[in-house]
Amino acid sequence: DQQVKQNSPSLSVQEGRISILNCDYTNSMFDYFLWYKKYPAEGPTFLISISSIKDKNEDGRFTVFLNKSAKHLSLHIVPSQPGDSAVYFCAASPSGTASKLTFGTGTRLQVTL
Amino acid sequence: GAVVSQHPSRVICKSGTSVKIECRSLDFQATTMFWYRQFPKQSLMLMATSNEGSKATYEQGVEKDKFLINHASLTLSTLTVTSAHPEDSSFYICSAPGAVDEKLFFGSGTQLSVL
Repeated sequence: DQQVKQNSPSLSVQEGRISILNCDYTNSMFDYFLWYKKYPAEGPTFLISISSIKDKNEDGRFTVFLNKSAKHLSLHIVPSQPGDSAVYFCAASPSGTASKLTFGTGTRLQVTL
Repeated sequence: GAVVSQHPSRVICKSGTSVKIECRSLDFQATTMFWYRQFPKQSLMLMATSNEGSKATYEQGVEKDKFLINHASLTLSTLTVTSAHPEDSSFYICSAPGAVDEKLFFGSGTQLSVL
């Protein structure tokens, strides 16, 4: 039972364009959502988060949108840079904290020149 | 940001042997650490929560006698895979919540291959 789904295993975007990574969840108890970025041979690093009381959170080039009615969130990266090439994981928690996260399967983003 | 160090990064062992994986918080104290496992093409799955000074709590379906967790200090948690078998081959990764906020900081992971 995959409670957090990232249906696109990979995405290729040209440098300078917008990257949009999507994530869907099924558990209505989730109230805190995070995006992590992972390079090969490294652990995931925190990117951005959003609480269910918000529908948007922005940090520099990264913006996360939350649509609670659709149980959908997305990560926008603009402009995309080659260094953004990595695997991006969506994660969710029912506790309002980063404890006991449920992760998606990840989307591999490739930013091309 | 906070640093979590995990060793070893890769282990290849024979079936039946035990493997210990260490997770250290380098510049902060962690009363709680989380152990995750990731099989190929699957998501990171929480295995257990390691609690300093008390017993770990395991997620449903995770054998506590097979995956021994010890959290003896505020900066160190260990996961021991006892009598490892090929089906235990996976990517194991630890994490700890930061002291200031609720971000989880991850170690670099351990790729376990059991022959």
